[in-house]
Amino acid sequence: LAKTTQPISMDSYEGQEVNITCSHNNIATNDYITWYQQFPSQGPRFIIQGYKTKVTNEVASLFIPADRKSSTLSLPRVSLSDTAVYYCLVVLNYGGSQGNLIFGKGTKLSVKP
Amino acid sequence: NAGVTQTPKFQVLKTGQSMTLQCAQDMNHNSMYWYRQDPGMGLRLIYYSASEGTTDKGEVPNGYNVSRLNKREFSLRLESAAPSQTSVYFCASSAQRWDTGELFFGEGSRLTVL
Repeated sequence: LAKTTQPISMDSYEGQEVNITCSHNNIATNDYITWYQQFPSQGPRFIIQGYKTKVTNEVASLFIPADRKSSTLSLPRVSLSDTAVYYCLVVLNYGGSQGNLIFGKGTKLSVKP
Repeated sequence: NAGVTQTPKFQVLKTGQSMTLQCAQDMNHNSMYWYRQDPGMGLRLIYYSASEGTTDKGEVPNGYNVSRLNKREFSLRLESAAPSQTSVYFCASSAQRWDTGELFFGEGSRLTVL
């Protein structure tokens, strides 16, 4: 099973760009990298997913190098409302079904004014 | 559109009591999951159901049982609750596609075992 490693916590200030890196050294060929955001007392919410190179949506960008052993979630110009826990998840593909989706411990991002 | 609905939202049990957490999704998803979340531990998978009629163990299945009642519903049962099962429980669902990992989560059920 592909295990992920993320920093436990990060601090930032409003308006800054935040980059959270996730390590997944034994990612398999057909695995995807997915990131979730969780606010207190809520369930996690999907942010972005990618396979290689760069993916961008209205919320974030995801950078994946050629060897795919790590990925970086980039949040542009964070605000106080971006304070949350961010999870990196490797999607394990068992013959086309979702299989066993494992979350790590996440990165607690604190944005200060 | 309700998405994933969990009941109850809060529950207090005494050690040894049993209870069932209910989960229902209205997105016609094939796969459903139960996670628990403890402080500092992130999310840990208890059981999952890749499709109707199948269930499999996750990381921490001991002390729990599940039932995939139909495509919409996936319940989690604690037969004899223990204080170590005090946690927040999340149900999630996903479409059965090979190239997506998007899970949709419920709001959580906070369980306290005394």
